Amino acid sequence: GQQLNQSPQSMFIQEGEDVSMNCTSSSIFNTWLWYKQDPGEGPVLLIALYKAGELTSNGRLTAQFGITRKDSFLNISASIPSDVGIYFCAGQADLSYNTDKLIFGTGTRLQVFP
Amino acid sequence: KAGVTQTPRYLIKTRGQQVTLSCSPISGHRSVSWYQQTPGQGLQFLFEYFSETQRNKGNFPGRFSGRQFSNSRSEMNVSTLELGDSALYLCASSPRTRMGEKLFFGSGTQLSVL
Repeated sequence: GQQLNQSPQSMFIQEGEDVSMNCTSSSIFNTWLWYKQDPGEGPVLLIALYKAGELTSNGRLTAQFGITRKDSFLNISASIPSDVGIYFCAGQADLSYNTDKLIFGTGTRLQVFP
Repeated sequence: KAGVTQTPRYLIKTRGQQVTLSCSPISGHRSVSWYQQTPGQGLQFLFEYFSETQRNKGNFPGRFSGRQFSNSRSEMNVSTLELGDSALYLCASSPRTRMGEKLFFGSGTQLSVL
């Protein structure tokens, strides 16, 4: 199945450190979404981006929609233990906007040590 | 406002059996999508329903089918189960009140095929 390239695959950081992860695609997207998933649960939406170049924040999280529309970035500042989980990027490619089909990234597993 | 509800939470079946999973979207949401999540393939799009019509379909065999009822509730059916169908099946809903609307996921149904 189709997936976006997401990196890094995993991160082990100390509490208080900043985190950066990114997602790239070979094709353009009109929407980029970032989700966090805890074990045994469904993904929870963190940030939604709708315009190329858009920079959006949600508390300690900041995400950007790449200018080329083929990539997106997520930054987490001053990490805390509850940031632990798997982070997924997702893109919506249908330029007709006539679908909710998302293409998901491979995920970044984040571990935060006190 | 209640979130997306999926039932059952866990399911154990044997090869060759069939299974039906249920999803109740957020009140007012008319679009329901289904995704399969496995460690190897990640999150893969199965299909999407809007106003009781299948709007889009992923690359899964015909053993995977779904439907949506007039109250927007959706069911997913898998016939002739195979070992490889073991996965977390996630349902997501969206209001589709704007283009590229974000999805809200349920906690999923964990299916194990023995």
